[in-house]
Amino acid sequence: KAGVTQTPRYLIKTRGQQVTLSCSPISGHRSVSWYQQTPGQGLQFLFEYFSETQRNKGNFPGRFSGRQFSNSRSEMNVSTLELGDSALYLCASSVGQLTGANEKLFFGSGTQLSVL
Amino acid sequence: SQKIEQNSEALNIQEGKTATLTCNYTNYSPAYLQWYRQDPGRGPVFLLLIRENEKEKRKERLKVTFDTTLKQSLFHITASQPADSATYLCARRDSSASKIIFGSGTRLSIRP
Repeated sequence: KAGVTQTPRYLIKTRGQQVTLSCSPISGHRSVSWYQQTPGQGLQFLFEYFSETQRNKGNFPGRFSGRQFSNSRSEMNVSTLELGDSALYLCASSVGQLTGANEKLFFGSGTQLSVL
Repeated sequence: SQKIEQNSEALNIQEGKTATLTCNYTNYSPAYLQWYRQDPGRGPVFLLLIRENEKEKRKERLKVTFDTTLKQSLFHITASQPADSATYLCARRDSSASKIIFGSGTRLSIRP
């Protein structure tokens, strides 16, 4: 069974640009969560999508958005990039919603975004 | 909202010894705690889940405990090997916000 696939692996952008990251979950998994990881802040929850609906959102500005398609694949978009957006963006899939009693996360390798 | 803390940023021990990592949480007990391993440049990998009504859980050389009185989970690696060197993260469900939140991690180094 293929794991969680994230593309691209590395990305370099300049301030003010926008970026779209892609995530394909494990087959059969319906929940996709996104996390931002930086050395100073650790893993910070961005949002979770389940059945094409955003179920929860972390404390990030509206420049961060996402969506999920009917095949459970998900995209994350960041508009008007800032230097502080440089981070490893991780996508994780799980079988069901994170409110479940037994949900564990399966992570992709992430997209390393550098904003210059 | 609930918090989860891993007080040790780094831990260095000798091969063959038992590594013990600590995770503390605030507010009420979560339904479960999870432990993940993360290698540099990779996403975290799930290792173990322990429920609030379980005192201890084992998987090969790994052991996790859950103490609701101390609001703490301990993660042990027995007979540690250099290949166990990685960052270990604990996580809990933040039930008020329906998300899984992570501690800052402990970077474990096993020297030969």
